[in-house]
Amino acid sequence: EIVMTQSPATLSVSPGERATLSCRASQSVSSNLAWYQQKPGQAPRLLIYGASTRATGIPARFSGSGSGTEFTLTISSLQSEDFAVYYCQQYNNWPPLYTFGQGTKLEIK
Amino acid sequence: QVQLQESGPGLVKPSQTLSLTCTVSGGSISSGSYYWSWIRQPAGKGLEWIGRIYTSGSTNYNPSLKSRVTISVDTSKNQFSLKLSSVTAADTAVYYCARGIGQLANWGQGTLVTVSS
Repeated sequence: EIVMTQSPATLSVSPGERATLSCRASQSVSSNLAWYQQKPGQAPRLLIYGASTRATGIPARFSGSGSGTEFTLTISSLQSEDFAVYYCQQYNNWPPLYTFGQGTKLEIK
Repeated sequence: QVQLQESGPGLVKPSQTLSLTCTVSGGSISSGSYYWSWIRQPAGKGLEWIGRIYTSGSTNYNPSLKSRVTISVDTSKNQFSLKLSSVTAADTAVYYCARGIGQLANWGQGTLVTVSS
């Protein structure tokens, strides 16, 4: 099983500043990596897939990078609505098993 | 825009079988090359993928749950379903259904299932 590890667990950032979230895979997942945002009481929302492609309707301030085992989600200028929990997910073809990171909580500083 | 909606009992007794259905609207469950997944999330914790079914009916399950999970599809009703047997309190969670090729682009709102006597 591929284990996904996110860091940090909690990130405190001021509105308007940049946030950088990390995700590491225990083995290569190529670019088969997605990022989700989850707010309290809501389902996760897809932000990024293919490690760097923004999903439909996602603002340009969200960007993803990386390949293999190291990935980054960057939010360039934090808005109030961006404070939430963020998860990475790998969907490598083999084994056919999706795994999520444990999440990073992005909170207002 | 496709929409997904979970339904099923909110309370299940220990050792019994949890059964949930996901109804798909705004598109046919048979069209396109999509996987239909179930994911769960215990209160205050992270996401755990349970398994998926392809439009052909082929399935893949999380090895940690494989012995207890069955996912099936009913194309005539535009639904897919989850059965989880021999439940314990550890299976208490919000259960989500979702659609995706690998990334999960469309999610239901989730339904809370509590395992308790």
